[in-house]
Amino acid sequence: GAGVSQSPSNKVTEKGKDVELRCDPISGHTALYWYRQSLGQGLEFLIYFQGNSAPDKSGLPSDRFSAERTGGSVSTLTIQRTQQEDSAVYLCASSVSASVIYEQYFGPGTRLTVT
Amino acid sequence: DQQVKQNSPSLSVQEGRISILNCDYTNSMFDYFLWYKKYPAEGPTFLISISSIKDKNEDGRFTVFLNKSAKHLSLHIVPSQPGDSAVYFCAAKDPLTGGTSYGKLTFGQGTILTVHP
Repeated sequence: GAGVSQSPSNKVTEKGKDVELRCDPISGHTALYWYRQSLGQGLEFLIYFQGNSAPDKSGLPSDRFSAERTGGSVSTLTIQRTQQEDSAVYLCASSVSASVIYEQYFGPGTRLTVT
Repeated sequence: DQQVKQNSPSLSVQEGRISILNCDYTNSMFDYFLWYKKYPAEGPTFLISISSIKDKNEDGRFTVFLNKSAKHLSLHIVPSQPGDSAVYFCAAKDPLTGGTSYGKLTFGQGTILTVHP
């Protein structure tokens, strides 16, 4: 079956502009995660959605970052007034049920470059 | 505060030999550990995992060892193959994160494994 997909694969934007990154999780997966990987760093947790529960936003680095998940499926990560330090690969992952199975399935990521 | 550390940024191994990738952690509450493999321009893919109640888990050529007293885990690949060349991330789950038991993972920085033919 189809895996996690993300779009765009690459995004170059000017400092100060807003960007939207999209994630389509695996069908039937109730849990969805956003991470980012900056150069030379590990994956940094950003936000987590589980079903209809309130999302865990504890990893969002600033209030310029927000995310939605519509209809329990597609998710959009929005970064407002982008800064150069936002440049990173943004990865989305989904899992069947976060409380039972911990293996997360990742998309290919969106490489964001802020100039 | 890096709770999961992979102190070797890279490892080079000859085909057929053993690859040993190491990972150290500081949070004794972590109860589940995973290894992911990542090829360039792709997302990480799950490789193998281990619960904190075990000290070893084996899956084919891959074995993960957990030493809780040392807060250390390692991934052994035997025999190593050129197709194993990738970045390997260890990750750990904290059951108390956010007050709910869900799969929020903390990742290490990754180790680049190169297996030479």
